[in-house]
Amino acid sequence: AQKITQTQPGMFVQEKEAVTLDCTYDTSDQSYGLFWYKQPSSGEMIFLIYQGSYDEQNATEGRYSLNFQKARKSANLVISASQLGDSAMYFCAMKKPNNNDMRFGAGTRLTVKP
Amino acid sequence: KAGVTQTPRYLIKTRGQQVTLSCSPISGHRSVSWYQQTPGQGLQFLFEYFSETQRNKGNFPGRFSGRQFSNSRSEMNVSTLELGDSALYLCASSLSRGGSYGYTFGSGTRLTVV
Repeated sequence: AQKITQTQPGMFVQEKEAVTLDCTYDTSDQSYGLFWYKQPSSGEMIFLIYQGSYDEQNATEGRYSLNFQKARKSANLVISASQLGDSAMYFCAMKKPNNNDMRFGAGTRLTVKP
Repeated sequence: KAGVTQTPRYLIKTRGQQVTLSCSPISGHRSVSWYQQTPGQGLQFLFEYFSETQRNKGNFPGRFSGRQFSNSRSEMNVSTLELGDSALYLCASSLSRGGSYGYTFGSGTRLTVV
């Protein structure tokens, strides 16, 4: 069975600084996808970044990068130059190929301080 | 380009009643998945529809059902509502079922059962 663990219920970061949100996963599958989503207080889930299990390079999308360490089964999200608008819940998720049953972690609430 | 549209945004129902939630995916997206989000259980997968067929189902009782129409719009039905069904119900659409296609989520329907 697939399982996602986010050990940081809450994180604080100063505006313009970088922050790392932790995510570890457990799966016996060789092929899988890892995702990060942002959920502001409005409730909508916003897709941030994707990493495939066979991707050799760490994924990057603007200020977001994914620190993928396959042997350690970790997929940490790094947000550079934090902005006040980054304050939200962040979810790490995983799914198998050709299967849209996505498993989510419990989430990390990030607060950016001015 | 219109996003994923969920209606209604808010709903209050009484125990024992039934409810139908609607989701219109992004144009061209053929996969629609439903998730239940509660403070205690987090985000849990309900089911996925692709080309009008249910492809996956999560661990929910039979009171939860859904369907997808030929235009990819999807409905979710919960019969005999219980207090524990109070949650944010999120619908997500994707172009396909595999690969790096992250979901695009709607803003959700917040259901309160009293």
